[in-house]
Amino acid sequence: DAGITQSPRHKVTETGTPVTLRCHQTENHRYMYWYRQDPGHGLRLIHYSYGVKDTDKGEVSDGYSVSRSKTEDFLLTLESATSSQTSVYFCAISESPGQGAYFGPGTRLTVT
Amino acid sequence: QKEVEQNSGPLSVPEGAIASLNCTYSDRGSQSFFWYRQYSGKSPELIMSIYSNGDKEDGRFTAQLNKASQYVSLLIRDSQPSDSATYLCAVNGGSARQLTFGSGTQLTVLP
Repeated sequence: DAGITQSPRHKVTETGTPVTLRCHQTENHRYMYWYRQDPGHGLRLIHYSYGVKDTDKGEVSDGYSVSRSKTEDFLLTLESATSSQTSVYFCAISESPGQGAYFGPGTRLTVT
Repeated sequence: QKEVEQNSGPLSVPEGAIASLNCTYSDRGSQSFFWYRQYSGKSPELIMSIYSNGDKEDGRFTAQLNKASQYVSLLIRDSQPSDSATYLCAVNGGSARQLTFGSGTQLTVLP
């Protein structure tokens, strides 16, 4: 398995609170991605990074921000959690998008 | 129009049969194509990649690519109950920094 960990694995939080999810890799891959997966919607890209401090938005970036201060860590922050952000969040890494991506174990987030 | 389309299924096949999963994509500049398998409650796992027209075989799995028709498929021969999962198609354009995923096809192999 690719060396990707996500923390926390499960979290329950209240509406309006900030939440930060962490993705950590040991593969030294340049690209890192945050996806959310919801029934009926498949995998949707939130944000991605193509290098340290280089990030860009995906298709569902509203309400989310990211940071990457070192190669191995990619943080996803929900600035003020809403119930619509209840989802499973996956981090993925890639040496090059043309070679595919490898997924972490996921974080199940519930916003009450 | 979604950029990567898959039959939503669900698809059921008997054990030992061939399962055929299909995917079409809209970007003619796409160069890399992938199939992922996702078991319920687990993360997607990369199982096949294909880059040129034709067939690529890996064990019981065969990926097929036809760039003229913008079509990629996955065949699973001698299907086993352990193949029951959702299969996701993903595509990368040459200059794109990310993969675009289809919504997946749920496959059930009946014993």
